[in-house]
Amino acid sequence: NAGVMQNPRHLVRRRGQEARLRCSPMKGHSHVYWYRQLPEEGLKFMVYLQKENIIDESGMPKERFSAEFPKEGPSILRIQQVVRGDSAAYFCASSPFQGKADAFFGQGTRLTVV
Amino acid sequence: AQTVTQSQPEMSVQEAETVTLSCTYDTSESDYYLFWYKQPPSRQMILVIRQEAYKQQNATENRFSVNFQKAAKSFSLKISDSQLGDAAMYFCAYRSGGNAGNMLTFGGGTRLMVKP
Repeated sequence: NAGVMQNPRHLVRRRGQEARLRCSPMKGHSHVYWYRQLPEEGLKFMVYLQKENIIDESGMPKERFSAEFPKEGPSILRIQQVVRGDSAAYFCASSPFQGKADAFFGQGTRLTVV
Repeated sequence: AQTVTQSQPEMSVQEAETVTLSCTYDTSESDYYLFWYKQPPSRQMILVIRQEAYKQQNATENRFSVNFQKAAKSFSLKISDSQLGDAAMYFCAYRSGGNAGNMLTFGGGTRLMVKP
């Protein structure tokens, strides 16, 4: 059973470009969580999604950031018009249901904005 | 909102010795979970140990154990017989026990160095 798969592992974007980060949850998991880790800091929750639904986006910046988890395919975190401050590691975690189940993390995508 | 605080940015331990990493949290909830995650240079977040707040017994996983003091809102991690492979960032995390989702609130982390 493959774990949570994130790609790419590393992504370099110039200021003003778009960044698309992908997350394929573990098989059988229908809940996905995105976190951001700035250098030398802990992970900060961004958004919680189920298939075709955003459940909680309280940690998402109001502008330029969006997330989706379509019926088919991976979850996508999209950052438009990237700025240097978006440089961070972005982690995805998945869980099988909403209750008392631990979430499993992917290896993260390191985004560097130049 | 819940907060998690790790007051030790860095800790150092001699190989084979014991080290304790501190974590405090703030919450008004009675049902919650606490976790310690390890993040080696590979960036992978590895679950080390979990504690359910309603359980009085401290969790143990091989060389890793916790000291859970619910009234003091303290959740420290003890690593016994430290090994070179234990060197990593360690994050304490909190999760609500309700049905609002499995979102985690993390502390700022403690970098553990292990000296041979």
